[in-house]
This record gives sequence, structure tokens and C-alpha cells, in this order.
Amino acid sequence: EDQVTQSPEALRLQEGESSSLNCSYTVSGLRGLFWYRQDPGKGPEFLFTLYSAGEEKEKERLKATLTKKESFLHITAPKPEDSATYLCAVRFQGAQKLVFGQGTRLTINP
Amino acid sequence: GAVVSQHPSRVICKSGTSVKIECRSLDFQATTMFWYRQFPKQSLMLMATSNEGSKATYEQGVEKDKFLINHASLTLSTLTVTSAHPEDSSFYICSVSSLISNNEQFFGPGTRLTVL
Repeated sequence: EDQVTQSPEALRLQEGESSSLNCSYTVSGLRGLFWYRQDPGKGPEFLFTLYSAGEEKEKERLKATLTKKESFLHITAPKPEDSATYLCAVRFQGAQKLVFGQGTRLTINP
Repeated sequence: GAVVSQHPSRVICKSGTSVKIECRSLDFQATTMFWYRQFPKQSLMLMATSNEGSKATYEQGVEKDKFLINHASLTLSTLTVTSAHPEDSSFYICSVSSLISNNEQFFGPGTRLTVL
């Protein structure tokens, strides 16, 4: 069964304290791994798409990487406004839909 | 990315009534639209996938006669919750995608439905 698992479930950091969020997957034939940010009461905001192992993408303080089994979302010197739930989703071969992980709730304390 | 709107953003209705939620793709021709629901502190759960001009494909456990989906054009899809009950209270979110966007999904702001 295709599965997406995110860890940790919740993470509290001090402002400026870098860390990484993990998304591991077991899918047959990956056709894209997606990272989204979701603020409370809002829809997910698209961050990155990764398609092949070794690929990396960056946006401001965020950097996403991909291996054959997992993806990491690295956050460098985070600020309080980076506080949100970060969702990982995978599209597998032959499907249009995304399979979402449970998300990581990130809180950055000033 | 695409700009997606949903209307209404919040709705409160009485049990037994029907509610229609609109999803519009403002700057993007969406060949495929998706409808999700999200309960508090949980992730998104896909309800159905709809391709423009075709009948929606519902996920296992989602009642197609209760959650009516219409994708009449490349910019509009509607979700109608029929005979709503309190357990249908949730956050409903749509997303749009297209081959042009390499099938990346862009999400709307969501609609909070409360059934009394």
C-alpha cells in the first residue's frame, strides 16, 4: 500500500534554530513529491515539487531534498512567521491524485 | 501558481438542508479539480477527482449521492452537500491542476461548513 509518513508530528524551535522535517514514502513509481505550507484556517500553499532522487530546491529559508525513500525540508535560521503546518504529498505512477502525510506542526518561538 | 477562490468561505446551515460550495480557478484552465475535506488537526482527505466534462471519481467511502460534484467548465467546479448532518461539518478545500502545470495542484482557501 502506498504510504506517506511525516516526522516529527510537531516541532518547536527557537528563532534562528535550524532543523529538518522528514517525509518518508513507500510508493510504487514516484511521479512527484510535493511540499505545502498550511496556515490555520487556510488552504495549503504550494512550496516545492521534486521528481527524482538527488534533486534539491530552495526558497528563502527553505530547502527541499529528495532520495529514493524520503524527502527532507530543511529550514535555516527560521523566523516566527515560518510557523505553520508543513504537508508532504506524493503522486504515484498512473494516478492523478496526491497521497498526503499527516503533516508537521512547526512553531518558531521569538 | 494558479489563483483559486472558493465561495463561501464560511457557511452555517441547519441539519437536513443542502449546501453548495463553489471553486473557481481565476487565472488557470483546470482540466482536473479535486475536492478534499479536513478535520481539525488532521491532514487532507481526498473526496473526489473530477475532470472537466466527465463524471467525478469518488474515493472509497465517500457517498456520491451525498456529495454531488459538478465540473462544468475549465474554471468552475461545485460541491453540493445534500441533506447535511452535523458530522458533515468540516473544512472543505478544492484544488486545481492541469497537464500544463505538470499536474502540480494548487489549492483554494477552503470553506468552513458548520451543520447545526
